[in-house]
Order: sequence, then C-alpha cells, then structure tokens
Amino acid sequence: SQKIEQNSEALNIQEGKTATLTCNYTNYSPAYLQWYRQDPGRGPVFLLLIRENEKEKRKERLKVTFDTTLKQSLFHITASQPADSATYLCALEEGAGTASKLTFGTGTRLQVTL
Amino acid sequence: DVKVTQSSRYLVKRTGEKVFLECVQDMDHENMFWYRQDPGLGLRLIYFSYDVKMKEKGDIPEGYSVSREKKERFSLILESASTNQTSMYLCATDGGQGHEKLFFGSGTQLSVL
Repeated sequence: SQKIEQNSEALNIQEGKTATLTCNYTNYSPAYLQWYRQDPGRGPVFLLLIRENEKEKRKERLKVTFDTTLKQSLFHITASQPADSATYLCALEEGAGTASKLTFGTGTRLQVTL
Repeated sequence: DVKVTQSSRYLVKRTGEKVFLECVQDMDHENMFWYRQDPGLGLRLIYFSYDVKMKEKGDIPEGYSVSREKKERFSLILESASTNQTSMYLCATDGGQGHEKLFFGSGTQLSVL
C-alpha cells in the first residue's frame, strides 16, 4: 500500500543547531514534493517545492533534498530558532494535470529550545 | 497575498444535522480543495473543484458533497453529520497551472455531538 512516513515523535533541538526532518515514501512515484509548516490551530503554510529531477533546493535557512532512489526527502533548518518550532508536513504529487492534488504525511513536530 | 477565508473557526453540531462549511478566496484561483485533518492520519483530500460547477472526488468523499456556484466560493456539505466527521476541516486553493503550492485557510474545527 502507499505510505508517507514522517517521524511522529517530536524532534527537540537546541537553538543554533541544524534540524533535520525526514520524509520517506513507499509505492509512490512523485513528480513533485513539497514541505509545509503548520502552527497550532492554523492552516499549513508552503515552504519549498522540489521536483524529481532536482537533488536539492534552498531558501534562506531552509534546504530540501529529494532522493528518488532512496524514496526520501530531507528537510533541514540551519541555525534554528525558537520561532521555528512548529509541525512540518511533507506532501507528494504524482500525476499530471492542472490541480495540485497533494498527499500529505502526518507531520513532525519540531521544538527548538534556548 | 492570497487570502483564503473559512467562515467559522469552531463549529458544534448535532448528529444528523446538515452542515455547511464555507470557503472564500480572493485571488481568482481556478482550483479549490477541501481536506480534513485528524491526529495520526494527516491531511486527507475530500473533494476538489477545478472550475465553477466542476468537482472531483478526493480520497475520502463518502458522507460529503460540495458546491461551487461562483469561482471564489467553495462549500463543503455534510448531509447528515455523524460523530466520525468530527475533525479539522481545511480549505485550500492553487492557481491552476499544476504542480503549485497550496494556500490554506485557517481551518474549521467541527465537533459533532
């Protein structure tokens, strides 16, 4: 069956360190992969999109990698800050078409402490 | 900035009631989506619409219907609410070019008693 796995346990790291979150998938062939941030009681907010033919994408302190052989994406936040504390969701898109029909993972909660 | 507005943040309804969840977007986006989010299950797509009066089922459409009479407004309808429909409901839009980011509303936490 199809599955998207993100670590369900919270990730606790110290301010200033690099946070690395993992998204593994099985029985998907995604053409695109996206990462979102979600704060409690709010809707997800888009962070980054990476295509299957891209190995890495960066935006400010954020970096995403996409390994279609390992069926894995890694999401890195460098120099993490308490304000980065949130739940981070990965989402896959397989097909063609003009609607972004995404399948989401369950998310990993990141807690950055002083 | 795109604004996606959901009419209610919190809603409490009784079993068997007909429930309407409203979503309005201000960016003239083609596509609109309804997701529900449950602990441990993540976001699951209920329905989406790619044009006025056009709709397509998502992964979990049972017990729901939708309406899109105007481009900016997409409604989710629970014909006869049940307790297993207690959830966070999230509306989203994208620009209609394919493979784009989604813009989400703040969500409606629905409790069915």
